[in-house]
Amino acid sequence: DAEITQSPRHKITETGRQVTLACHQTWNHNNMFWYRQDLGHGLRLIHYSYGVHDTNKGEVSDGYSVSRSNTEDLPLTLESAASSQTSVYFCASSEEVRAWADTQYFGPGTRLTVL
Amino acid sequence: ELKVEQNPLFLSMQEGKNYTIYCNYSTTSDRLYWYRQDPGKSLESLFVLLSNGAVKQEGRLMASLDTKARLSTLHITAAVHDLSATYFCAVDIRAQKLVFGQGTRLTINP
Repeated sequence: DAEITQSPRHKITETGRQVTLACHQTWNHNNMFWYRQDLGHGLRLIHYSYGVHDTNKGEVSDGYSVSRSNTEDLPLTLESAASSQTSVYFCASSEEVRAWADTQYFGPGTRLTVL
Repeated sequence: ELKVEQNPLFLSMQEGKNYTIYCNYSTTSDRLYWYRQDPGKSLESLFVLLSNGAVKQEGRLMASLDTKARLSTLHITAAVHDLSATYFCAVDIRAQKLVFGQGTRLTINP
């Protein structure tokens, strides 16, 4: 069955280190998204991509970067981890923007702790 | 800046009762989503509302959208314990860029 996976599921790192969170989907969806979830804020969009080699900044993109070299993967990199980036990170994917009835499908999440 | 506000943020109710969660948003949009999240889990899509007056129903949940009032509601009928979860609305501001509400944590007691 098609799915969306994230790895690692849990990560503890130190301030200043570079961290990469992986997201892989097998639906062949063009659109992929990264969100962070914090208490009291719901989910906030970090970066998103509408296709290979396309990336865009979301609401809270500072300190994060993404690259899209194929359809299946959108890795999220924290260039220099900060304690404020301790959060739960969700990856999501969806079909074409023109697919009006489509929703975003979410991965299982990665819990990141920055000490 | 788009704001999406849900209320209430916390809701404790008894089984068998009816209640409504409200989602207000501050800019024009005609596409709104409802998601469910169980503790420690991912988000599960419940409804996609695509136009003014849209109404969708699944089991004991019914969602509606009034784009003129910039309001969506999620109505729970005869609540059961299994519906305990956090519910999020999300507004599509452009090309599937979603802005989420804070979430409503629903607890249904026997």
